[in-house]
Amino acid sequence: DAGITQSPRHKVTETGTPVTLRCHQTENHRYMYWYRQDPGHGLRLIHYSYGVKDTDKGEVSDGYSVSRSKTEDFLLTLESATSSQTSVYFCAISGAGGKVEAFFGQGTRLTVV
Amino acid sequence: GESVGLHLPTLSVQEGDNSIINCAYSNSASDYFIWYKQESGKGPQFIIDIRSNMDKRQGQRVTVLLNKTVKHLSLQIAATQPGDSAVYFCAENADSSYKLIFGSGTRLLVRP
Repeated sequence: DAGITQSPRHKVTETGTPVTLRCHQTENHRYMYWYRQDPGHGLRLIHYSYGVKDTDKGEVSDGYSVSRSKTEDFLLTLESATSSQTSVYFCAISGAGGKVEAFFGQGTRLTVV
Repeated sequence: GESVGLHLPTLSVQEGDNSIINCAYSNSASDYFIWYKQESGKGPQFIIDIRSNMDKRQGQRVTVLLNKTVKHLSLQIAATQPGDSAVYFCAENADSSYKLIFGSGTRLLVRP
């Protein structure tokens, strides 16, 4: 698993509630990413981080925020969950040794009811 | 805008045959490409990568071909095995940004 852990692995939440997903790495990678995966859309980048407190938007960032207060952890927050945010969320890490290839976590299945 | 796509959503092959999965990309500035394999219930796993200064790269039973003229990428799997059944994604990176843009994926089914 390349030293990357996502929590929780599964979550059901109600519309309008805030939700935070956590990604933890032990590999000291500089870059961390949050993707969502939906049928017919593949993997779409939500936000990514290129260092502590350095983050940027991806292609589907609306309704999401992120924080990275230390190298190991990258948090994804759904400020007010909507049914359209029901998805599988993947965290990824990259950058060690200057390599671009990303290593993925096992995913978090989020259901918004 | 930048995009990465796949020609075939599902590919069915006989065990032992070779498989070819195709991918088209639109960003001529992309200079690094990766193929990932995703098994059911798991995150994508790195298979092989290639830089734009190469046309071909070989791994164990896999070969990636890059045709920059027509912005086309392919993954060849030799002697396809049941364990190769999965969804395969191509991904591209441009401008050394460390952002990977993924295609929508191709499902490979291996018939016994």
